[in-house]
Amino acid sequence: NAGVTQTPKFRVLKTGQSMTLLCAQDMNHEYMYWYRQDPGMGLRLIHYSVGEGTTAKGEVPDGYNVSRLKKQNFLLGLESAAPSQTSVYFCASTTTRARYEQYFGPGTRLTVT
Amino acid sequence: QQQVKQSPQSLIVQKGGISIINCAYENTAFDYFPWYQQFPGKGPALLIAIRPDVSEKKEGRFTISFNKSAKQFSLHIMDSQPGDSATYFCAASGFQKLVFGTGTRLLVSP
Repeated sequence: NAGVTQTPKFRVLKTGQSMTLLCAQDMNHEYMYWYRQDPGMGLRLIHYSVGEGTTAKGEVPDGYNVSRLKKQNFLLGLESAAPSQTSVYFCASTTTRARYEQYFGPGTRLTVT
Repeated sequence: QQQVKQSPQSLIVQKGGISIINCAYENTAFDYFPWYQQFPGKGPALLIAIRPDVSEKKEGRFTISFNKSAKQFSLHIMDSQPGDSATYFCAASGFQKLVFGTGTRLLVSP
């Protein structure tokens, strides 16, 4: 089992460019999450999904969109990147039985110049 | 209010000492209180978790103490080792998601 994987690992964007971050999990988990991690601010929830075809906003959703067309994949999109979106992005997944135990991917380090 | 407040921001402990990290929450509807450990360049991983109807949970050198009336919980790391040097996040589970504290960077000096 690969667990939770994220693509790409690193990316540099210019302001205004767009990109999609891909998260994949092979644990048949129902719930998936996207977080951003910034120094001194912990992990902040961007968007999440409780099942295929469903998405919901988290704490900091502005400037991001998501889609969950397949149960195992959760995509995070930046339509017009801004320097404020420079961060490390983590994807996580979990089951309905133990929602406090989230499994995290290795992260994507994004720099917007 | 769904905030979880965590302190201290950073902590230096000598090898063999006790590391203590504190968290406080507001919302009484949270149903689980996990702690996550994160090493540099890695994603966080669950370390230990406690339900609000339990006052203490111990797993090896790691113990969660939970005070429901004060809405506070803490992580104690006994006999701290250099390999415990990492960032620790407390969290509260509820409403289909986790709310994380801001993290504590622990350095255990040899």
